[in-house]
Amino acid sequence: DIQMTQSPSSLSASVGDRVTITCQASQDISNYLNWYQQKPGKAPKLLIYDASNLETGVPSRFSGSGSGTDFTFTISSLQPEDIATYYCQQYDNLPPLFGPGTKVDIK
Amino acid sequence: QLQLQESGPGLVKPSETLSLTCTVSGGSISSSSYYWGWIRQPPGKGLEWIGSIYYSGSTYYNPSLKSRVTISVDTSKNQFSLKLSSVTAADTAVYYCARHLAAAADPLYYFDYWGQGTLVTVSS
Repeated sequence: DIQMTQSPSSLSASVGDRVTITCQASQDISNYLNWYQQKPGKAPKLLIYDASNLETGVPSRFSGSGSGTDFTFTISSLQPEDIATYYCQQYDNLPPLFGPGTKVDIK
Repeated sequence: QLQLQESGPGLVKPSETLSLTCTVSGGSISSSSYYWGWIRQPPGKGLEWIGSIYYSGSTYYNPSLKSRVTISVDTSKNQFSLKLSSVTAADTAVYYCARHLAAAADPLYYFDYWGQGTLVTVSS
């Protein structure tokens, strides 16, 4: 089975900072990797699909890159409303599997 | 605007069957472009895909839950449903229904619309 890891598990950054989260798959998943944002008490929201495609309506400060086993999610300028937990999710193989999440706070 | 809404009991006894329904509004569940799925999240933990269904009734299940899961669709009511049998405390979670894309009737697992989620507690 594919394993997904994310790092860091949590981070604190200042408003305006560049924030980077990494996601690693235990085997090659091509670009079948999505990123979600989940705010407390809310459902996850799709931000990035197929590693680097911005979902419609998502601010351009969010971006994704990578392929194979190593992926990166970036917030170019952290905003207060970006406080959330971010999950990667692979769908190269069944079952689609979510990473453990990265909690982002404001410093 | 597409909306999904979960409904069902918030409390289920151990060994019994958890039953939830997702009602889709603002769009047709019979669209050939989408699958409809269930995802759960235990309190304070991560997300786990349970399974998905196409309007035709074709299903995909998480192997870890497959022996206990049944997902069905009622196109006349624009609803799909989840049954999870023989529940234990480990099945306590927020259960979400969600939409994901289909390509040539095969699922593409990016979940673009979600319900608000419903907490199901397994306890006697």
